[in-house]
Amino acid sequence: KQEVTQIPAALSVPEGENLVLNCSFTDSAIYNLQWFRQDPGKGLTSLLLIQSSQREQTSGRLNASLDKSSGRSTLYIAASQPGDSATYLCAVNRGSTLGRLYFGRGTQLTVWP
Amino acid sequence: DTEVTQTPKHLVMGMTNKKSLKCEQHMGHRAMYWYKQKAKKPPELMFVYSYEKLSINESVPSRFSPECPNSSLLNLHLHALQPEDSALYLCASSQGVLAGTYNEQFFGPGTRLTVL
Repeated sequence: KQEVTQIPAALSVPEGENLVLNCSFTDSAIYNLQWFRQDPGKGLTSLLLIQSSQREQTSGRLNASLDKSSGRSTLYIAASQPGDSATYLCAVNRGSTLGRLYFGRGTQLTVWP
Repeated sequence: DTEVTQTPKHLVMGMTNKKSLKCEQHMGHRAMYWYKQKAKKPPELMFVYSYEKLSINESVPSRFSPECPNSSLLNLHLHALQPEDSALYLCASSQGVLAGTYNEQFFGPGTRLTVL
């Protein structure tokens, strides 16, 4: 069974810092990995999707990397802002199981002014 | 347009009530999903529909009954729920589910359900 772990569980930083959120998974036979953002009581917003053949994806201040062989992904947030405060979830898709995403428990990020 | 809409936003129901949650997408996606999320936990998959056919039921109790009337619409019918069923119910969609399909999942805002 695929297990996904996110470290740290919570992170509190001042505005302007560059951040790294970590995601690890036990089964390297993944099809893709998706990073989401969730604000309290809201739905999930897809931030980045990395296909298994890719090493990284970038969107604005966000950069996600993928190392399938070591079972790791990182989400890098540059120049953090208070508006980045949210829970960040990573999820892996094994491809062979119809549409199933395996989620980590998330990193709760607080960026203070 | 990458929007998935869900109605209602909030729902309070008694244990004897029958209610329905509705989800809609107009992205031409052929896979739709229901998830349940409790506070401080990740979403848990409930059901997957692929081309309007139920392809995954994660051993969900029969008091939850999904329905996919067409490729854009997904319903979740609720009957005789328990207080522990109170949660955020999320709908998602993707282009497809099969390996080899680009299947990024897009989520709706959710329905906050409270069962009294």
